[in-house]
Amino acid sequence: GESVGLHLPTLSVQEGDNSIINCAYSNSASDYFIWYKQESGKGPQFIIDIRSNMDKRQGQRVTVLLNKTVKHLSLQIAATQPGDSAVYFCAENESGNTPLVFGKGTRLSVIA
Amino acid sequence: KAGVTQTPRYLIKTRGQQVTLSCSPISGHRSVSWYQQTPGQGLQFLFEYFSETQRNKGNFPGRFSGRQFSNSRSEMNVSTLELGDSALYLCASSHHGGNEKLFFGSGTQLSVL
Repeated sequence: GESVGLHLPTLSVQEGDNSIINCAYSNSASDYFIWYKQESGKGPQFIIDIRSNMDKRQGQRVTVLLNKTVKHLSLQIAATQPGDSAVYFCAENESGNTPLVFGKGTRLSVIA
Repeated sequence: KAGVTQTPRYLIKTRGQQVTLSCSPISGHRSVSWYQQTPGQGLQFLFEYFSETQRNKGNFPGRFSGRQFSNSRSEMNVSTLELGDSALYLCASSHHGGNEKLFFGSGTQLSVL
């Protein structure tokens, strides 16, 4: 498979703990934000998204928080499991037919 | 419903050759986007096709091109390969592009020797 992000920031958490992955974005015109998970040898997999008219959205074991004032996005994973080990990417785009722009990614390592 | 399918899964080419990668989107999806993923640069947008028309283009040289067929299937071509073109090429589809989530394939891993 591919080698993704040899120099990625890494977050190590104990199994069962909560994880928080952060993302700063630069485009103040962005109004759609999305988190992806990428496991080794696979393409990015959708986790959760949020639009700029919201500041929080919850899914199954995941929560995304959006702070437009400081242009910050975070992904919270509750009760982190070994299967959560992967690289996580945030992505953003403006309204209209503009492409998704991806962040550099964070590697999450879950310690059993 | 079948996911996004990319072929081939792996490719090895030499400098100066050209390569064509194929992508079949999810049924009903009309937008297909291509991304290049490398360890140093992350996911970089190449181009997006919608209804057989290129709607967006990233900052890549003209050696990178693509097209979309009437059944929404897409191909991308890289001519005169360079060592730096070694990367994972990802295809993603969505219903109409824009502010909606993309569904990615597993990618084609291209190695240029």
